[in-house]
Amino acid sequence: DAGVTQSPTHLIKTRGQQVTLRCSPKSGHDTVSWYQQALGQGPQFIFQYYEEEERQRGNFPDRFSGHQFPNYSSELNVNALLLGDSALYLCASSLGLGFNEQYFGPGTRLTVT
Amino acid sequence: QKEVEQNSGPLSVPEGAIASLNCTYSDRGSQSFFWYRQYSGKSPELIMSIYSNGDKEDGRFTAQLNKASQYVSLLIRDSQPSDSATYLCAVNGGGGSNYKLTFGKGTLLTVNP
Repeated sequence: DAGVTQSPTHLIKTRGQQVTLRCSPKSGHDTVSWYQQALGQGPQFIFQYYEEEERQRGNFPDRFSGHQFPNYSSELNVNALLLGDSALYLCASSLGLGFNEQYFGPGTRLTVT
Repeated sequence: QKEVEQNSGPLSVPEGAIASLNCTYSDRGSQSFFWYRQYSGKSPELIMSIYSNGDKEDGRFTAQLNKASQYVSLLIRDSQPSDSATYLCAVNGGGGSNYKLTFGKGTLLTVNP
């Protein structure tokens, strides 16, 4: 049973650049949520995708955007990178919209210099 | 008031002892409650979920939920050095169709051999 996968594992970018992170959900799951985790903090919700639509959004600027594909995989795009965007980006998958369990992938460590 | 608060750590217990981790939440409409374990440099791993008042046991772990007091806890019996990690409390729901997870900052647990 394939778990949640994310790519790349690590990424180093320069301020002002753009980045795309990718996520494939756990087998049988159709909902993908993205979180940002700064050092020493709990994950912060960015947005959630279901049926290829953004269903909910956290308190993140429009520089953060995403997409979900017909095979349920998802991308997170961040434009005009700031130093403060350096964090661990986590993808979580779940089944349907609801209060269900969410399972996290290994994360992508983004460093902005 | 922060949405999800966890008891401040770090928490240190001897091997074989019971570790008690606590969490309070502010949104009375919250529907589901989770405990995640996060090892240093890794992503959160779901270890317990609880949806109704009372206790839920899974091996050495027991989650307790009291919705009237807006309180959820995790007990780890017979603590092992491998239990040393940061434990994150997460709450889902509330405020309508709000399916995002809201996390506390986490409690660092160290189990001493």
